[in-house]
Amino acid sequence: DAGVIQSPRHEVTEMGQEVTLRCKPISGHDYLFWYRQTMMRGLELLIYFNNNVPIDDSGMPEDRFSAKMPNASFSTLKIQPSEPRDSAVYFCASSLRQGQGGYTFGSGTRLTVV
Amino acid sequence: GNSVTQMEGPVTLSEEAFLTINCTYTATGYPSLFWYVQYPGEGLQLLLKATKADDKGSNKGFEATYRKETTSFHLEKGSVQVSDSAVYFCALSEHSGGYQKVTFGTGTKLQVIP
Repeated sequence: DAGVIQSPRHEVTEMGQEVTLRCKPISGHDYLFWYRQTMMRGLELLIYFNNNVPIDDSGMPEDRFSAKMPNASFSTLKIQPSEPRDSAVYFCASSLRQGQGGYTFGSGTRLTVV
Repeated sequence: GNSVTQMEGPVTLSEEAFLTINCTYTATGYPSLFWYVQYPGEGLQLLLKATKADDKGSNKGFEATYRKETTSFHLEKGSVQVSDSAVYFCALSEHSGGYQKVTFGTGTKLQVIP
C-alpha cells in the first residue's frame, strides 16, 4: 500500500482565496482524521470521520473550515476564505476501526497564506 | 477527560548516550499507548505501541513498557544516533461512546550531536 496520500505537499495562497486540501486514506481503514500542526499550538485534531460519516468536528476553528468524505477513498478539507493565521501543516491520518494498531499519517500539506 | 503529559524539550544528547523521554497519562479506562516519531518535514510515524498493562513495545532499538500502576509509558533507547534526531509524541487511544478517541502529547524534540 502507498500509505496515506495528501496533496498538494505545499500550497501558497493569498488571503481571501479558497484552499482545498486532499487526502486518500489507506484502503480498508474505517477512520480518517484531519490534524493541524503549528509551532504555537502543536498538533490539533480538527475533525474525524468513521465510515465516511463526520463524528466529531468540534476542533474545526470556525465556519471558514469544512471537510467532506464523499467515499471511503477520498476526503477534502476546505478553507474559504483563507487567512494568514491558517498557515500551518495539515495532516491527514487513517486507522482501522479499533485504533489499537495506531494511525498512519500522510506527509502533510504545508499551507502558507500571504 | 484523557490527557498525556510529556517531558519538556528539547533534549540534547551526545551520540551513543542513553535516552529516556518520560510520558504519563490519565485515562478513564484501559487505553492503548503509542509513541510516534516525526522527522523534519515529514508526518508522524508510528514507532511502537502497547495495548495492555505490562506490555513492552519495541522497534528500532527503542522500547517502552505500559505501566498501569504508575500510568506511565516512558520511551528508552540504550544508544542514540544522530539519525534519531526528531520530535517524539506519546499518545493514547481509548474507545469512548462507541468511537475511538486519541490524545497526543505535546511532543519532545530530541537532538543528538556527534
